Amino acid sequence: KQEVTQIPAALSVPEGENLVLNCSFTDSAIYNLQWFRQDPGKGLTSLLLIQSSQREQTSGRLNASLDKSSGRSTLYIAASQPGDSATYLCAVRGRGGSARQLTFGSGTQLTVLP
Amino acid sequence: DTEVTQTPKHLVMGMTNKKSLKCEQHMGHRAMYWYKQKAKKPPELMFVYSYEKLSINESVPSRFSPECPNSSLLNLHLHALQPEDSALYLCASSQGRTSGPYNEQFFGPGTRLTVL
Repeated sequence: KQEVTQIPAALSVPEGENLVLNCSFTDSAIYNLQWFRQDPGKGLTSLLLIQSSQREQTSGRLNASLDKSSGRSTLYIAASQPGDSATYLCAVRGRGGSARQLTFGSGTQLTVLP
Repeated sequence: DTEVTQTPKHLVMGMTNKKSLKCEQHMGHRAMYWYKQKAKKPPELMFVYSYEKLSINESVPSRFSPECPNSSLLNLHLHALQPEDSALYLCASSQGRTSGPYNEQFFGPGTRLTVL
């Protein structure tokens, strides 16, 4: 059964810092990995989707990497801003019987201090 | 347009009430999902519809009854809920077959449900 872990559970940084959020998964047989942002009490906003054949994806100040063989992904946020404060979730889509499902990590709660 | 809408935003109901949650998307997606999310936890999958047919039911109690009237709409009918069912209910959609590798899921804003 796929398990997804995100470390750290919470992170607080001063504005302007570059930071890295980590995601690891136990089964490397995945279709893709998706990073989401969630503000308190709100829905999930899709940030980046990386296919299993890709190594990285970029969108603005965000860069996500994927190392499928080692079961790891990172989300790099450049020049962090207070508006980046939110919970960041990674989720993997598996193959076979679990292909219809996303398996989520527990998230990293990010606070960017002004 | 990558928007999934959900109504109502908030719902308070008693344990004997019957209510429905609604979800709509106009992206031409053919897979739609219901998730339940408790505070400070990741979303838990409840149901998946693929081409308007129920394809996954994650052992959800029968007091939750999903319905997909057409490819754009997804309902969740609620009856005789328990206080522990209070949570944020999220709807999502994705294009094509749910097992496809290019299936990015888009989520709605959720319905905050409180059961008294």
